[in-house]
Amino acid sequence: DAGVIQSPRHEVTEMGQEVTLRCKPISGHDYLFWYRQTMMRGLELLIYFNNNVPIDDSGMPEDRFSAKMPNASFSTLKIQPSEPRDSAVYFCASKQYPKNIQYFGAGTRLSVL
Amino acid sequence: ELKVEQNPLFLSMQEGKNYTIYCNYSTTSDRLYWYRQDPGKSLESLFVLLSNGAVKQEGRLMASLDTKARLSTLHITAAVHDLSATYFCAVDSDFGNEKLTFGTGTRLTIIP
Repeated sequence: DAGVIQSPRHEVTEMGQEVTLRCKPISGHDYLFWYRQTMMRGLELLIYFNNNVPIDDSGMPEDRFSAKMPNASFSTLKIQPSEPRDSAVYFCASKQYPKNIQYFGAGTRLSVL
Repeated sequence: ELKVEQNPLFLSMQEGKNYTIYCNYSTTSDRLYWYRQDPGKSLESLFVLLSNGAVKQEGRLMASLDTKARLSTLHITAAVHDLSATYFCAVDSDFGNEKLTFGTGTRLTIIP
């Protein structure tokens, strides 16, 4: 398997623009997680899905952030409008219940100018 | 709110030496994970510890879990340069929830 695939790897945008991050989980995995990593706050869980259904979005910082999982092989994290404080590395991870390990993608490095 | 603390945050050690990274967490949990992250890279799973007293070893790394003390350790034996990375522990927030709360990370630098 190719692992968890994220795109783009790098994104540079201007404040106020819409940003869409994409994730393809490992085939057969039924959980998908979105994380954000910054120097100040470390690694934070934003939202996770089970069988394409959002289970816990308590980590989503504000209404500017939204995530969808239209099918088992694709998820998006959207920021609209983006702000400089959204600059971070965003990771997607997936796992297959009942196994415990989450497998992480390579991440998307977002810079909002 | 679950808190996961690691210490030290930074560790610089010479090749060949032994050292231990500590991970404390604030609430009951019986699943603890260790991950490794190389600079600019993704996170790689190292160990999953599922019960009190669990011990796992892979090469020069050994992880253990004491659920009563809410403490896990990652022991490095005879460190080599290839082990330079940031190490994270993570804990399940509560039963029935798949959320992981990560520690702050320990940046390990092995000096030749």
